Amino acid sequence: DAGITQSPRHKVTETGTPVTLRCHQTENHRYMYWYRQDPGHGLRLIHYSYGVKDTDKGEVSDGYSVSRSKTEDFLLTLESATSSQTSVYFCAISPGTGYEQYFGPGTRLTVT
Amino acid sequence: GENVEQHPSTLSVQEGDSAVIKCTYSDSASNYFPWYKQELGKRPQLIIDIRSNVGEKKDQRIAVTLNKTAKHFSLHITETQPEDSAVYFCAASRGYQKVTFGIGTKLQVIP
Repeated sequence: DAGITQSPRHKVTETGTPVTLRCHQTENHRYMYWYRQDPGHGLRLIHYSYGVKDTDKGEVSDGYSVSRSKTEDFLLTLESATSSQTSVYFCAISPGTGYEQYFGPGTRLTVT
Repeated sequence: GENVEQHPSTLSVQEGDSAVIKCTYSDSASNYFPWYKQELGKRPQLIIDIRSNVGEKKDQRIAVTLNKTAKHFSLHITETQPEDSAVYFCAASRGYQKVTFGIGTKLQVIP
C-alpha cells in the first residue's frame, strides 16, 4: 500500500459538533482526494486538491470544507456534523505522473 | 457532470468461469477509466486501468475493453477463483479531475 494514513480510524460524534479528519501521505504526491462511501452510492468525491492551498469541490461538497497547508496533509472538516454524514471516508492520492489513485485505509464516522 | 452506470449490481459465477462487468459513461471528454477491487472492510485497490487512446488492455486473468463511440467499458475476469470475490467499481474521469465512480458490482465466485 502507498504511504497513506488516515486519522482517526473510527469516530463517534454528536449532531452539531465539528469534526476534522486527517489524511497524511509520505509519497510527496501532488493530488489528494476525499471520498465518502455509502451503500448504494459507491464512492462519491467530496473535495480534491491539486497542490498546496489549491482545492476544488466534488459532487457532494455541501457541509464539508478542506484545507491543505502542506503537501503531505489534507484535512476534511465537517463544520456541523449531521446524521446524513455518517459514512466511511476515504482519502486517495495520485502521483501526477499518471492518473491512478491510491486509497488510504478509511475512517468510519458515526454521527448520533 | 459525469454519470457512470454500472451493471450488474451482483454477479455469481462458478469457479473457473468468466465474469463480465459493464459500465457506461456520459461525458465524452472523459479519458481515464480505472477499475477498483474492494474486499470487505478494506480499501479500494486499483486492479487495471485504461486510457481513451487504447481499446483493450490485459493483465493476466483481467482485461478491460473500451468503446469510445458507444461510451462504455467492461471488465473481464477469466478463470475466476474464490479470491476474486469482492466488490468491483468502475470509474471515469478527465485525468486528475473529479473522478466519478459506478455504484459497484458484488462478485461472488462459488467454489
